[in-house]
Amino acid sequence: DSGVTQTPKHLITATGQRVTLRCSPRSGDLSVYWYQQSLDQGLQFLIQYYNGEERAKGNILERFSAQQFPDLHSELNLSSLELGDSALYFCASSPRRSFYEQYFGPGTRLTVT
Amino acid sequence: QQPVQSPQAVILREGEDAVINCSSSKALYSVHWYRQKHGEAPVFLMILLKGGEQKGHEKISASFNEKKQQSSLYLTASQLSYSGTYFCGTDTETSGSRLTFGEGTQLTVNP
Repeated sequence: DSGVTQTPKHLITATGQRVTLRCSPRSGDLSVYWYQQSLDQGLQFLIQYYNGEERAKGNILERFSAQQFPDLHSELNLSSLELGDSALYFCASSPRRSFYEQYFGPGTRLTVT
Repeated sequence: QQPVQSPQAVILREGEDAVINCSSSKALYSVHWYRQKHGEAPVFLMILLKGGEQKGHEKISASFNEKKQQSSLYLTASQLSYSGTYFCGTDTETSGSRLTFGEGTQLTVNP
């Protein structure tokens, strides 16, 4: 157990819908990262927040957005969902801004039908 | 650009050694290694930074050739618990955050 929690564990929704994935980092960790893992694309970095502010952005679609709240938990919002958005979404946390190990949560499996 | 990992898969018997390679066409600032078991989250193994600094577990070793933009992960005296998919994540900037992961190397250790 990494200490990072993610909810929900599974999510099944229809195309066009909007969902919110939640992540609680390890106690004391200021950085939160979001990743998407699909079979054909591998593990892709989406976005990083550090102490409430966006720090780095990866291949995140405009339909996706994220934020980190004052209590350091983070949410990833996915809207206008498409079949191709079906994937495992991981959240990871780290005590520092960069160059440090990341602790991954168990992931949220999103299925878009 | 996604780093290239080799081999794609390797099967070992317990006690054997393996080397997993990761190469990039771009200059690298850091290389991060993770292992993921089926159905589980990735677990940190090692970070190698430009300039030679390393952070990681004692039983895992790795190298980082800055001139060739390559990293290798060395797994010695493999154990059954080493089975999983190994990913390298590379950072071509100084942020240390925007990692691009390779497609992974599937390692199977048999008794």
